[in-house]
Amino acid sequence: SQQGEEDPQALSIQEGENATMNCSYKTSINNLQWYRQNSGRGLVHLILIRSNEREKHSGRLRVTLDTSKKSSSLLITASRAADTASYFCATDASFGNEKLTFGTGTRLTIIP
Amino acid sequence: ETGVTQTPRHLVMGMTNKKSLKCEQHLGHNAMYWYKQSAKKPLELMFVYSLEERVENNSVPSRFSPECPNSSHLFLHLHTLQPEDSALYLCASSQIEGLEQYFGPGTRLTVT
Repeated sequence: SQQGEEDPQALSIQEGENATMNCSYKTSINNLQWYRQNSGRGLVHLILIRSNEREKHSGRLRVTLDTSKKSSSLLITASRAADTASYFCATDASFGNEKLTFGTGTRLTIIP
Repeated sequence: ETGVTQTPRHLVMGMTNKKSLKCEQHLGHNAMYWYKQSAKKPLELMFVYSLEERVENNSVPSRFSPECPNSSHLFLHLHTLQPEDSALYLCASSQIEGLEQYFGPGTRLTVT
């Protein structure tokens, strides 16, 4: 089954630096989404990028999508301590089962 | 607050107990989901309800029984669980399957 896989599994950076996380997937998609999860809480939707889009911005977030490489990246600029969380990509297949498939996530720690 | 609430937030139950998890969404969505999140595993989709009809059951053991009495409420009935069922159970809703999902805070379940 299709599954997003985030890279790296864990990332620690200093506050103010930029954080980049990557996601790879296996089959064609309709869209790709990024979610954030604070420890032991529910996931919060951050941004959705459609398969015909290459880049999307939302505040300090920048998402890119390369369908030829079946990969996406999430960039968080000027990181803050409150950005400490796990980040997941989720894909929606373009055929058959349209359910979201989540990856294992990247654990981001922002060091004050 | 995401507009999706879950109760209880924490639950400890023995293997012979019967309990129920409750989810309620106040967003007017027409699809609702149950996910299981275990440590170091991808989020596992358990059940999907669309317009109050079950459309997905990902080979979930029969000791988990979902119920969707209306478009705003979703239950997960639990009986004779195993210790490996201990996990964070997340409920989510969306307007259309495959688009952004709104998650509740989850129920942390411990089976003793």
